[in-house]
Amino acid sequence: DIVMTQSPDSLAVSLGERATINCKSSQSVLYSSNNKNYLAWYQQKPGQPPKLLIYWASTRESGVPDRFSGSGSGTDFTLTISGLQAEDMAVYYCQQYYNTPLWTFGQGTKVEIK
Amino acid sequence: EVQLVESGGGLVQPGGSLRLSCAASGFAFSSYDIHWVRQATGRSPEWVSCIGTEADTFYPGSVKGRFTISRENAKDSVYLQMNSLRVGDTGVYYCARGRGGYFDLWGRGTLVTVSS
Repeated sequence: DIVMTQSPDSLAVSLGERATINCKSSQSVLYSSNNKNYLAWYQQKPGQPPKLLIYWASTRESGVPDRFSGSGSGTDFTLTISGLQAEDMAVYYCQQYYNTPLWTFGQGTKVEIK
Repeated sequence: EVQLVESGGGLVQPGGSLRLSCAASGFAFSSYDIHWVRQATGRSPEWVSCIGTEADTFYPGSVKGRFTISRENAKDSVYLQMNSLRVGDTGVYYCARGRGGYFDLWGRGTLVTVSS
């Protein structure tokens, strides 16, 4: 199994500031034949299902605000929220889809307002 | 409206069975893989099963032999038959649409509680 490890477990950020969440995979999720990283990011608010934000490590899903961005390659990835808004309070998960059919998620990072 | 709606959750004793349903609408259901993903309270999501467009099925070791996923394209529906349920199977069960390997559409979930 590919183990996904996120850091930190939680962080408090002031409104308008930047939030940075890291995700590390236990093995590379970069597929050399197409140079794509099989890594997605989700946002989950209380009482709601996860919502897809980013796929292929850096492609924003339709309708997702451009303050959300993804970066990284191989085993190390970052989700950045630039200019945190109150509605961004949530838990964020990374997920690998390289080692299918065995999809795995990180343990989550809780973003709170400072 | 493009959506997935789960049903069938409830309280069941250890060793019991439950059948979950996922009804899709608003998209070409037969063209997509469909997954079940569960989430225990305060925990991260855990992938539980997948059924492909050719009805090929996949499971992690934790549920293999106990859970069975199936689909009925004529009804735009997917089912999850869960047998020999354990306390550790407790959680909210979501169905999710697969696109390119990631999950782009999720239902609101149905709660399964396994307890004596």
